[in-house]
Amino acid sequence: QKEVEQNSGPLSVPEGAIASLNCTYSDRGSQSFFWYRQYSGKSPELIMSIYSNGDKEDGRFTAQLNKASQYVSLLIRDSQPSDSATYLCAVRLGGGGGNKLTFGTGTQLKVEL
Amino acid sequence: NAGVTQTPKFQVLKTGQSMTLQCAQDMNHNSMYWYRQDPGMGLRLIYYSASEGTTDKGEVPNGYNVSRLNKREFSLRLESAAPSQTSVYFCASERDTRSSGANVLTFGAGSRLTVL
Repeated sequence: QKEVEQNSGPLSVPEGAIASLNCTYSDRGSQSFFWYRQYSGKSPELIMSIYSNGDKEDGRFTAQLNKASQYVSLLIRDSQPSDSATYLCAVRLGGGGGNKLTFGTGTQLKVEL
Repeated sequence: NAGVTQTPKFQVLKTGQSMTLQCAQDMNHNSMYWYRQDPGMGLRLIYYSASEGTTDKGEVPNGYNVSRLNKREFSLRLESAAPSQTSVYFCASERDTRSSGANVLTFGAGSRLTVL
């Protein structure tokens, strides 16, 4: 089982719709959760971080964390063509090996006109 | 304020050649990382350095060596390049790994390496 799992997609949504991206993780000791956006040929950039159960909103983005079910999700409201990118879920694992960040394989989002 | 700077941006090597990827950050961050990114594989950690003078293996360290030359610089060396090392390499830095809270990775622009 991979430590951080995402559906690779592509996830296609029409412009203006809500895009829902999901991520599950295996280590119950995980403390910090991040969503990075990566445009083709570019480096990842942080868009959201979440540390406590529940929802965290930032503009059109909402991150949701459920530690009991070990999943974290990202909702993008009013999706725009400029949101088309690969979204990487990242989890900071607890336990041995230090507090390294582990990434999922990413979900490709396509927002269609 | 340049952030994280990687060089070179592109490199083509022949099997068996060696090379070093350079990374420097000007944010006074303690921790630095090297990731590789392959299609369908996501970002995989090669090596990281939690502080100057320390380095640790990540998920895929075989075939690589690193040097944390000082607080600013963290280099990745391929001693004998193999086609399996064809990838995009990202360097990243972070203020502190001891706190699991607000620390965030800042990535360099990436280095695309092709091994023939």
